Amino acid sequence: AQSVAQPEDQVNVAEGNPLTVKCTYSVSGNPYLFWYVQYPNRGLQFLLKYITGDNLVKGSYGFEAEFNKSQTSFHLKKPSALVSDSALYFCAVRDFYAGTASKLTFGTGTRLQVTL
Amino acid sequence: GAVVSQHPSRVICKSGTSVKIECRSLDFQATTMFWYRQFPKQSLMLMATSNEGSKATYEQGVEKDKFLINHASLTLSTLTVTSAHPEDSSFYICSARWRAYEQYFGPGTRLTVT
Repeated sequence: AQSVAQPEDQVNVAEGNPLTVKCTYSVSGNPYLFWYVQYPNRGLQFLLKYITGDNLVKGSYGFEAEFNKSQTSFHLKKPSALVSDSALYFCAVRDFYAGTASKLTFGTGTRLQVTL
Repeated sequence: GAVVSQHPSRVICKSGTSVKIECRSLDFQATTMFWYRQFPKQSLMLMATSNEGSKATYEQGVEKDKFLINHASLTLSTLTVTSAHPEDSSFYICSARWRAYEQYFGPGTRLTVT
């Protein structure tokens, strides 16, 4: 079975400072990894994905994530946080080898709070 | 980018009535769509996987007779909550798979059953 862990319920950071939102995963095969962001009363917006290739993945709104196979991690990062980045962030994984039958498994979400 | 719409965005209904929620992929064809339920301050719970032209596959614990899913075309899936009760009040989100590994989400529907 596949799983995702987001160990922090909330991350607080001052505007202009770098931010990191942590995610670790477990799959039996090679992972497809995703980050989504959710604003209040909205659906999920796709930020970025890792399928294969470079371990550092760049996504929307200046976010990036680093795939670390040995640590089974896929932490979300941004060099300089904005107040408008405050939202709920979800990490998700799919098992590559399960093909199209595989489903996304989500972490429990991390609330990012960026303050002035 | 791929866009998924949901309608309505909010619905209030009386206990015992049925409510239909539509999910559409606007600029791509989706052979597979997903329906999720999200409780306040919680993650998304997958309810069912919907494949065009075939019966939906429900997750364990989800009542298929209560949550009717129809995927009539490559761009439309519907979720009908039958005989709704207050405990069905929730935020329902649909998602459509685009290509082999990308999944895009609708904006969600807030259902309140009074």
